[in-house]
Amino acid sequence: AQSVSQHNHHVILSEAASLELGCNYSYGGTVNLFWYVQYPGQHLQLLLKYFSGDPLVKGIKGFEAEFIKSKFSFNLRKPSVQWSDTAEYFCAVRSNTGGFKTIFGAGTRLFVKA
Amino acid sequence: NAGVTQTPKFQVLKTGQSMTLQCAQDMNHNSMYWYRQDPGMGLRLIYYSASEGTTDKGEVPNGYNVSRLNKREFSLRLESAAPSQTSVYFCASGLSLGETQYFGPGTRLLVL
Repeated sequence: AQSVSQHNHHVILSEAASLELGCNYSYGGTVNLFWYVQYPGQHLQLLLKYFSGDPLVKGIKGFEAEFIKSKFSFNLRKPSVQWSDTAEYFCAVRSNTGGFKTIFGAGTRLFVKA
Repeated sequence: NAGVTQTPKFQVLKTGQSMTLQCAQDMNHNSMYWYRQDPGMGLRLIYYSASEGTTDKGEVPNGYNVSRLNKREFSLRLESAAPSQTSVYFCASGLSLGETQYFGPGTRLLVL
């Protein structure tokens, strides 16, 4: 079955630490990849996306993600986190072999200690 | 421009009761979605509508029905609520299937 896996359910970091959140998917074919973020008490919103072109994608607030096709991965990174990055992060994948639906991972809760 | 709006924000139901969750978007989007969010399980797609007049099942459609009333509105109905349907429900819309989705604020539902 097609799936999206996020390796860490909870991550705790101190401010200024580097962040990498893993995301792997099991789809074949052409994929569109997304990272969404849900800050406490707010809507889910788009952080960044990859459709085609440069596999290193830059998003808002200093986040970036790298699409590695051979590894079926789209990991999210930030060199130096801030307290305000405390949120839940969701990886999502849409495949042309998956009926064009977007499937979300289980999410990773990030807590940044001030 | 309100984006995606949902009503109600909170609801408590008894087992067996019915209710309809409302969703509307003012972005002229073609596709609309209903998800439920449960701890440790992320967002699971209940139903979606690729365009006005069409609806399709997602990953977890059992116990739910939907209506795409017009291009703006997409409602989710629980005919006979069960405790397993306690969750946070999110509506979303997008220009088309597979494009960026814009989410509403969610509805917290408790079924006793």
